[in-house]
Amino acid sequence: ELKVEQNPLFLSMQEGKNYTIYCNYSTTSDRLYWYRQDPGKSLESLFVLLSNGAVKQEGRLMASLDTKARLSTLHITAAVHDLSATYFCAAVEAGNTGKLIFGQGTTLQVKP
Amino acid sequence: EPEVTQTPSHQVTQMGQEVILRCVPISNHLYFYWYRQILGQKVEFLVSFYNNEISEKSEIFDDQFSVERPDGSNFTLKIRSTKLEDSAMYFCASSVEGYEQYFGPGTRLTVT
Repeated sequence: ELKVEQNPLFLSMQEGKNYTIYCNYSTTSDRLYWYRQDPGKSLESLFVLLSNGAVKQEGRLMASLDTKARLSTLHITAAVHDLSATYFCAAVEAGNTGKLIFGQGTTLQVKP
Repeated sequence: EPEVTQTPSHQVTQMGQEVILRCVPISNHLYFYWYRQILGQKVEFLVSFYNNEISEKSEIFDDQFSVERPDGSNFTLKIRSTKLEDSAMYFCASSVEGYEQYFGPGTRLTVT
C-alpha cells in the first residue's frame, strides 16, 4: 500500500530565505504531484513529475523527483509572503488510473 | 478556462439525513474522483469513476456512499445517512486520461 510522508509539517521562515520540503513515498509510483492550498480553498496544481530526474520550476518554486530514492522535493527560493500556504505532495501507485495518495501537507508561513 | 464546479459550497445537515453533493466536471474529461478533507487533515481519496462505473474506492467509501453520473454532465456523491464524522470538505476532481486532476472548489459538509 502506497504511503506518502512529508516533512516538515510546519515551516516558519523569513522572507528572502531558501528552504526545501521533502516528500517520501513508500512504493513504486508512476507520477508525483505538488499542490498548493490556501486556507478554506481548493487545491491548485503546481507540478506534475513523471520520470526520474524530472525537475520543474515556476517562479520561486522548483520541484524534483528521484524515483530511486522515492523522494520528491519542493524547493523555495527567496521566499515571499505570498507563498504562505499549505503544500501537499501526492503520488499515484504504479499502474493505477489516478487515485492520488496525499501527504499530510506542509504549512508554510513566510514572515515579512 | 474550463473549471470544475461544485454545489452547494456549504451544506449543513442533521445526523441521519441524506445529502447529495454535486459536481460538474470539465466537459471533455473522462475520469472523475471524489476526495474529502477533514478540517486540518490531509486529503483522502474516496472513489474514482470511469466509463460509467466505479473503478476504485477506498475503505472510507462504504455502503452509505454512492456516486452517479445521471445526465452526462453532473457527477454526484450521495451519503445516505450522514454521521458526525462525515463532516469535512468534499472535493470533486476530473481528468482527461487519469493524468492531471483538476479540483473543484469543494463543498463543506457540516453534520450536526
